[in-house]
Amino acid sequence: SQTIHQWPATLVQPVGSPLSLECTVEGTSNPNLYWYRQAAGRGLQLLFYSVGIGQISSEVPQNLSASRPQDRQFILSSKKLLLSDSGFYLCAWSPETRGGKLFFGSGTQLSVL
Amino acid sequence: AQKVTQAQTEISVVEKEDVTLDCVYETRDTTYYLFWYKQPPSGELVFLIRRNSFDEQNEISGRYSWNFQKSTSSFNFTITASQVVDSAVYFCALSTGNQFYFGTGTSLTVIP
Repeated sequence: SQTIHQWPATLVQPVGSPLSLECTVEGTSNPNLYWYRQAAGRGLQLLFYSVGIGQISSEVPQNLSASRPQDRQFILSSKKLLLSDSGFYLCAWSPETRGGKLFFGSGTQLSVL
Repeated sequence: AQKVTQAQTEISVVEKEDVTLDCVYETRDTTYYLFWYKQPPSGELVFLIRRNSFDEQNEISGRYSWNFQKSTSSFNFTITASQVVDSAVYFCALSTGNQFYFGTGTSLTVIP
C-alpha cells in the first residue's frame, strides 16, 4: 500500500534562518507531488507541484522553493525565513493518471519567530 | 479559471441534527473531478469522496450523502444525525488535469 511521510511534525525557527521540509512517498511510482500551506488554520494554498523528477511548477511567488531530486521525494526549502512563512505545511501526492485522489501527509506546523 | 466556493465559514449544530455543507464550483472543462476532504483537529486531511463530471448520481455512505448537480455547479455534502466526532473543517475540491483547487473550508462544530 502507498504511504506518505512528512517531517518534522513541528518546527520553530528564527526569522532569517533556512528551512528544509522533506516528504517521501512509498508504494507508488511517478506520483504527482504537491506542497500546500494552510495559514490561520483554514484555506489551502498550493505552493508547488511536480509531475516528475526535476519538474517543479510554482503557484505563488515567494521566498520558498521546491525540489524533487528523486521520483518519490519532494523538498520544500527557504534560504531565509520570514514571519509570514509561519503556517501549516502539507505535502500530498496523487497518481499520475487524471482524476486520482490526493493523499496528504500529516503536516508540519512551522512557527517563525 | 477554476474556482471552488464554500460560502459557509462556520456552522454549529446540536448533536443528532442534520447539516448540509455547500460547495459551488466553476470550471470550463467538461471533464473534471470533485472531492470532499475532512480535516479533524489533528490536522491531517482525510479523503471522503470523489465524483467525476459524468456521474451525477447522488451517493450515500452511512450518515454521509452527497448531492452533485451540474445544472447549478454544486456538490453539497449532508451529514445526517450529526455526532461530536463530525466536528472538523471540511474542504471541497475540484481537479482538472494535475491541479487541485480547494475551497476555503467550512468549520463544523457539533455540540453535544
